[in-house]
Amino acid sequence: EVQLVESGGGLVKPGGSLRLSCAASGFTFSSYSMNWVRQAPGKGLEWVSSISSSSSYIYYADSVKGRFTISRDNAKNSLYLQMNSLRAEDTAVYYCARDKMAGPDAFDIWGQGTMVTVSS
Amino acid sequence: SSELTQDPAVSVALGQTVRITCQGDSLRSYYASWYQQKPGQAPVLVIYGKNNRPSGIPDRFSGSSSGNTASLTITGAQAEDEADYYCNSRDSSGNLGVFGGGTKLTVL
Repeated sequence: EVQLVESGGGLVKPGGSLRLSCAASGFTFSSYSMNWVRQAPGKGLEWVSSISSSSSYIYYADSVKGRFTISRDNAKNSLYLQMNSLRAEDTAVYYCARDKMAGPDAFDIWGQGTMVTVSS
Repeated sequence: SSELTQDPAVSVALGQTVRITCQGDSLRSYYASWYQQKPGQAPVLVIYGKNNRPSGIPDRFSGSSSGNTASLTITGAQAEDEADYYCNSRDSSGNLGVFGGGTKLTVL
């Protein structure tokens, strides 16, 4: 079964750090670009960051650039998001999502999400 | 950067047809994809590209695009289609992702 499972969320104080992980299974992880998408409580989806299959291309939303770092370990079938200098507005459910391999862009597989709460 | 604009809420009578739209300048260059999200669940891809449905998505879901507007049409809406719908595309640079604000669909 094709699956993405996020972990690492929790409660952190403003200015703190957190590392999210996304474990992939059921497909050749190293062949796909991956993304992080977040959703603040009661709000819409926000694209956060993407990384190409070989980590050659990495992009960030302006709202997290300079604070968050996306990475991957293809040998471990895992995607990561290092989040530093966290702010209250970073409070959200964080989803990892797979890019479709071919054809038009789309996020075809999503994890169940992990909640990050930034509060003192 | 680029923005995608959606109507916040739309309603449709059971069995009728509803169109949900997404507007943005980047849609002149890039296709939109559409996601259905029910409360407490992760989003699910329902339409991508010109008009492509992933396996398992009912054929009552269809997509179209004209100029700066992409549309998701549900023909014969069912009670289970009540959900939030989000469009997604790239920004004008082609490198960053962007989502619309979402449309809450109510099936009456």
